[in-house]
Amino acid sequence: DAGVTQSPTHLIKTRGQQVTLRCSPKSGHDTVSWYQQALGQGPQFIFQYYEEEERQRGNFPDRFSGHQFPNYSSELNVNALLLGDSALYLCASSLVPSGSKNIQYFGAGTRLSVL
Amino acid sequence: AQSVSQHNHHVILSEAASLELGCNYSYGGTVNLFWYVQYPGQHLQLLLKYFSGDPLVKGIKGFEAEFIKSKFSFNLRKPSVQWSDTAEYFCAVFTTSGTYKYIFGTGTRLKVLA
Repeated sequence: DAGVTQSPTHLIKTRGQQVTLRCSPKSGHDTVSWYQQALGQGPQFIFQYYEEEERQRGNFPDRFSGHQFPNYSSELNVNALLLGDSALYLCASSLVPSGSKNIQYFGAGTRLSVL
Repeated sequence: AQSVSQHNHHVILSEAASLELGCNYSYGGTVNLFWYVQYPGQHLQLLLKYFSGDPLVKGIKGFEAEFIKSKFSFNLRKPSVQWSDTAEYFCAVFTTSGTYKYIFGTGTRLKVLA
């Protein structure tokens, strides 16, 4: 049973560029959430996708966008990269987006460095 | 604004010492509570969870946590730590009314000396 997989593992970009990160959820899961974890901080919620739509969003600018595909996999896109976007980006999957017993399973993350 | 506070950023203990990591949250609605652990070089893993019922919950590897609703707290405990418990520990709250999302604390780095 495959867990949550993310690609690539590491990425180096320069300011102003655009980046796409990918995530495949755990088998059987239909909801994907994305988080940004800056050095020394806890994960910060970016947004959540369910049924190919963005359902919830955290306090992140529109430069951060996403997509979910029919097979439940997801992409995170960041445009006009800033130095402050350097972080570990985590993907988490779950069975349902809401409900009283939501448990998320996390991938290993993509380490993005913006130079 | 909703937030989760972890009071200890770095903790160093000797093996066999007892552990207690504090976690407080600010949210007036119904919540689910979690502790996640991140071992060096590994991804976030669920340690234990509280949804309802008995406020004392037991997780993997001998960890337990107590939910005290009046104090908005969910402290993590372990009677006797091992070197292999060296990791970063995150408290998280999942809000179940209105917006559904996880809010994480800033984490506590635990180092256990052999």
